[in-house]
Order: sequence, then C-alpha cells, then structure tokens
Amino acid sequence: EIVLTQSPGTLSLSPGERASLSCRASQSISSTYIAWYQQKPGQAPRLLIYGASSRATGIPDRFSGSGSGTDFTLTISRLEPEDFAVYYCQQYGSSEVTFGGGTKVEIK
Amino acid sequence: QVQLQQWGAGLLKPSETLSLTCAVYGGSLNNYYWSWVRQAPGKGLEWIGDVNHGGGTNYNPSLKSRVTISVDTSKSQFSLKLSSVTAADTAVYYCARGGCSTTRCYKNHELWGQGILVTVSS
Repeated sequence: EIVLTQSPGTLSLSPGERASLSCRASQSISSTYIAWYQQKPGQAPRLLIYGASSRATGIPDRFSGSGSGTDFTLTISRLEPEDFAVYYCQQYGSSEVTFGGGTKVEIK
Repeated sequence: QVQLQQWGAGLLKPSETLSLTCAVYGGSLNNYYWSWVRQAPGKGLEWIGDVNHGGGTNYNPSLKSRVTISVDTSKSQFSLKLSSVTAADTAVYYCARGGCSTTRCYKNHELWGQGILVTVSS
C-alpha cells in the first residue's frame, strides 16, 4: 500500500494569500498518477489536478500542481473566499488507490 | 453531460449487507474505471474499489473479503455490495468515474455521484 501523508493538517490563511499544500508518498510514484481534490462541507469532492500538474476542466489557473517522486505540492496562488475547503491528494498508479488524510484551508 | 445518480438503503442493522447502485446518464460505461469511495463522518476519503466496463475489479485490501463491485452495461449501472456491516461502515458512500486521455483511461475520479449516507445501527 502506498501511504500518502499530507501536511499541514490545517492551514490558516487570509484571502489573497498563497497556499502551499504538501503530499508525501511512502514510495516513488510516477507523476502521471497523482491527483488533487477539493471538498466543501456537504459536497462531493471535486477533481482539481490530475497527472500531478494538469488542471481538470473548469479549474481556475490559480490552482497549480507540481512535484515528482515522493513529494508533490498543490499551490493556490491567491486564495479566493470559495477556496477555503479541505484538499486531498490521491495516487492511482497502483491497483490499490489511496488518498492522503487531507489538509483543511481555513480563514485566518 | 454525463451524470451519476446513486441510490440504496440508508439505514442498516449490523450484519446486514449494504447494497448501492450508481446509474450513468448521458454517457457510456465503456473504457472508464467506475469506483466507490466512502467517507466516515468527520473523516477523510477511503477508496473501496473499482470496476472496468469488462467487469475487472480491484478492491481495498482492508475491505476485500466483504466487497463486491459489479457492472451492468445493459443498464448503464454499476453496484456495490458490502457484507456483514458494522457501525464502522457508517459513512457517506460516493460513486465516481475515472478520467481518460486520448490514449488511455485512469483510476482517478473525474466525476462523482451525489453521495448517500449509510448508517449502521441496531
């Protein structure tokens, strides 16, 4: 099983600030198989990034993904009020898909 | 526009079998991976397993002995059965569809159902 560890658990920021979310894998993963999701209370998750750096359809360009090997990052360049949510990374390169534990981005 | 709509029993007793179905509207089951993901109250996302249009499956090892995911292409539906449920299986259950490039399909989750809260309680 590939374990994904997300940090920090909670990120307290103000609108307009930059957010950097980390996802570390227990073993090397091809960047082809890393995704990031956003989830707001009471809603299903929404795919933001796939293939580590490709934005899904309709995702604003303030969201970007990067990384390789075991270290991946989701960056939100300037936080908008609607960006305060929980973010999950996912690996889907093995037969067993796994998610990270999530990072909550909250308003400071 | 493709949509996923899921249904099933929302309240179960311990030892019963959870049974959920997800219908695909506006698209084909062909080529994609079709998944189930759950989220216990206040917790993170847990992948349960997936099935492809040909019926090939992969399951979370922690649930494998109790899970069956199947696909019915004639009805454009796929289903989840989880046997011998306990309170630990109380969660919102989501169905999801993977994404595809021009050359292959992936096990990420591009499209999601609305989610169903399943509560296990005596």
